[in-house]
Amino acid sequence: TQLLEQSPQFLSIQEGENLTVYCNSSSVFSSLQWYRQEPGEGPVLLVTVVTGGEVKKLKRLTFQFGDARKDSSLHITAAQPGDTGLYLCAVYQGAQKLVFGQGTRLTINP
Amino acid sequence: NAGVMQNPRHLVRRRGQEARLRCSPMKGHSHVYWYRQLPEEGLKFMVYLQKENIIDESGMPKERFSAEFPKEGPSILRIQQVVRGDSAAYFCASSPRLAGVGYQETQYFGPGTRLLVL
Repeated sequence: TQLLEQSPQFLSIQEGENLTVYCNSSSVFSSLQWYRQEPGEGPVLLVTVVTGGEVKKLKRLTFQFGDARKDSSLHITAAQPGDTGLYLCAVYQGAQKLVFGQGTRLTINP
Repeated sequence: NAGVMQNPRHLVRRRGQEARLRCSPMKGHSHVYWYRQLPEEGLKFMVYLQKENIIDESGMPKERFSAEFPKEGPSILRIQQVVRGDSAAYFCASSPRLAGVGYQETQYFGPGTRLLVL
């Protein structure tokens, strides 16, 4: 069983639409990270959320950490083709071991 | 200010050959991590190394895989007698020295090495 369940697994939408992707778990975490990975590249850290209920914004991306610190969501407003990529959530297990979800593969069509 | 460098970017091996993947961490970083990504999946932790020390190898397969991070030079992930199931993208990440017990440093990822076993 996966520690982090991401949904949906695949999402294809038109440019300009809004979307939300989810990262869920039954475990409680002290922090949670979101990464974006483009084809042929490594993951790039977008944000770290730490406090239950925390909301962080990065331009058109809004990240929220659940009140119980078990889940998180990523909302994109007015999606653009440049947002295309694999979105991964991750948590630390132990000192420095990152555990990733399976990712949401997002395609924004022009 | 170069990021994490990995080479080769693509590697093709026949079954039974050896694969050597190299990772040069960011300047000033003394911690290296290796992750494996199978097609359509997230990354899976393999091993965490500091210079000349393996700190956590809980994600490494018991056989054929080894990793090192020598005092001088890049970190090496070595896969002996490769099999088709080893085909994957292998990512290296690095972080600076930990600030303290329980503190988690951000890991910066390289572009990966894509291994194809024929």
